[in-house]
Amino acid sequence: GAVVSQHPSRVICKSGTSVKIECRSLDFQATTMFWYRQFPKKSLMLMATSNEGSKATYEQGVEKDKFLINHASLTLSTLTVTSAHPEDSSFYICSARDSYSNYGYTFGSGTRLTVV
Amino acid sequence: DAKTTQPPSMDCAEGRAANLPCNHSTISGNEYVYWYRQIHSQGPQYIIHGLKNNETNEMASLIITEDRKSSTLILPHATLRDTAVYYCIVRVVTRRGGADGLTFGKGTHLIIQP
Repeated sequence: GAVVSQHPSRVICKSGTSVKIECRSLDFQATTMFWYRQFPKKSLMLMATSNEGSKATYEQGVEKDKFLINHASLTLSTLTVTSAHPEDSSFYICSARDSYSNYGYTFGSGTRLTVV
Repeated sequence: DAKTTQPPSMDCAEGRAANLPCNHSTISGNEYVYWYRQIHSQGPQYIIHGLKNNETNEMASLIITEDRKSSTLILPHATLRDTAVYYCIVRVVTRRGGADGLTFGKGTHLIIQP
């Protein structure tokens, strides 16, 4: 089945620094990928939709200058958390859909970001 | 996407069938019912989906009522590894790309008891 690889799985960074998270579709091409954020004991919240070759679309309330998304190829999307602060600490998850699969969306394993 | 309602938590004994209900009374005719689960600190995992017929795969069975206003996910022989949050999501499926991300509700926290 479709596989989405997300890296790193866990990262700790200092306040004010930037962190990049990668999301790769391993055995299919994804023109669209999605980024979610999940706070402890909460459900996943869609942050943005990443479109290959064009600008990402962000959900209401998500700062596009803070969460930079790049989708330069059909198999890679990156999320950069810029000038991270402790309140950005969260579980970030990407997903993609194989257009030719009937299995719906495939999710990465998630990235636990801790900002200290 | 239509809204779904699920119980916040359920317990099930190991080895028994786990039956997870989902109400989706406002579902449209072209919306599928999808089930995902999320084991602690992992990304969600696809389980099964259906439109109106009952479906079965190696993981689970999906029973959709005739009026499609509700469905039940059945894990036939629950194991401790099935402890997770289970999400029922309804959405239109397009052939091309899936333009929209999924909207997750609060799901059901299924706890399998030894």
